[in-house]
Amino acid sequence: GAVVSQHPSRVICKSGTSVKIECRSLDFQATTMFWYRQFPKQSLMLMATSNEGSKATYEQGVEKDKFLINHASLTLSTLTVTSAHPEDSSFYICSARGQKLNTEAFFGQGTRLTVV
Amino acid sequence: QKEVEQDPGPLSVPEGAIVSLNCTYSNSAFQYFMWYRQYSRKGPELLMYTYSSGNKEDGRFTAQVDKSSKYISLFIRDSQPSDSATYLCAMSANSGYALNFGKGTSLLVTP
Repeated sequence: GAVVSQHPSRVICKSGTSVKIECRSLDFQATTMFWYRQFPKQSLMLMATSNEGSKATYEQGVEKDKFLINHASLTLSTLTVTSAHPEDSSFYICSARGQKLNTEAFFGQGTRLTVV
Repeated sequence: QKEVEQDPGPLSVPEGAIVSLNCTYSNSAFQYFMWYRQYSRKGPELLMYTYSSGNKEDGRFTAQVDKSSKYISLFIRDSQPSDSATYLCAMSANSGYALNFGKGTSLLVTP
């Protein structure tokens, strides 16, 4: 299957700082990328959908000014958690889908964010 | 009611057993059905992808979709300890939409 690389895999940051997570499609062009958040023993919850070159669409309850998403190229999307707080600690996962891949969405390895 | 329901388990089976994992859903518009395997602290890995109703087999894995009952299943034959993971069902109404996930079922295959 296609490869999606997510970086970093783990990050610890101080409360009030910002953290950037990168999601790259390595062997295909990702026209759409999805960002999910997963709390322990919970399912993946969609945060936002981004299409290359346009603004992301955020799910209800997700603050767009807090979770900044950039999808400037067909192979890279970034999620920046601004002014992080301990309640933002979670597992963040991106997935990417290309035009030729139909509905199959390939996932990154995930980023474990801990805010202290 | 959540759109996708999945028993979180945990489910413990001996090595070699046949495992049956299931999800129910409420949105009759769902047409695309997937099963993902997720190891601890890793991203989900696509196992099976099915469109509409029917069966699909891939090695030891068989996916079944019954749209009339809004019920999907994943069967694992000759289960191995390496199959121990969380299995997530996911579905969408349109190929361009984001996926709706179940909570995931934690599976433990004991030697």
